Amino acid sequence: SAVISQKPSRDICQRGTSLTIQCQVDSQVTMMFWYRQQPGQSLTLIATANQGSEATYESGFVIDKFPISRPNLTFSTLTVSNMSPEDSSIYLCSVGLGETQYFGPGTRLLVL
Amino acid sequence: GENVEQHPSTLSVQEGDSAVIKCTYSDSASNYFPWYKQELGKGPQLIIDIRSNVGEKKDQRIAVTLNKTAKHFSLHITETQPEDSAVYFCAAKLGNQFYFGTGTSLTVIP
Repeated sequence: SAVISQKPSRDICQRGTSLTIQCQVDSQVTMMFWYRQQPGQSLTLIATANQGSEATYESGFVIDKFPISRPNLTFSTLTVSNMSPEDSSIYLCSVGLGETQYFGPGTRLLVL
Repeated sequence: GENVEQHPSTLSVQEGDSAVIKCTYSDSASNYFPWYKQELGKGPQLIIDIRSNVGEKKDQRIAVTLNKTAKHFSLHITETQPEDSAVYFCAAKLGNQFYFGTGTSLTVIP
């Protein structure tokens, strides 16, 4: 398995601002993923972030809104840009190891 | 892509009873099926998984069964305890992508 940490764990932000979420893994991993989990809902994949290539975004998510960096094999960031209350959600970092995925603790974002 | 359905959405059981959560998937090429437990305020944690070449797997009080022909898999928790209360997600892996069920909120009543 992997130990995954995220910063911040939670935040309250004003609309129109941006927030960058950091994800750190205790081992080198090729595949990292960013998910959104809206209250009481399942997990929705935002993008796949593989080191050395551009992030691949799922339908409904665009780079201008959710820019991602993946500078090395243990770290990634997701920025939520120009936030609105609809962006209030839990953002989860995940890594692929072997066959499975492991998740970080999540960042709980509230946009006012 | 893959479509995963999960039932029930909520489940309440008395402590000591068993709980069963069922999932179906649509693409027979899916070959790996993990289950995650998400406690309040935490990220999903892998609790058990099963590969498509296996019919059943057990780990203490938790078991998972897979019926490839019917394309469904189930999570069984026996002798439930209050600390089993959480939201459980099933998932199916197709290629490199995971497709998640909609979650089951399990409440174990002491």
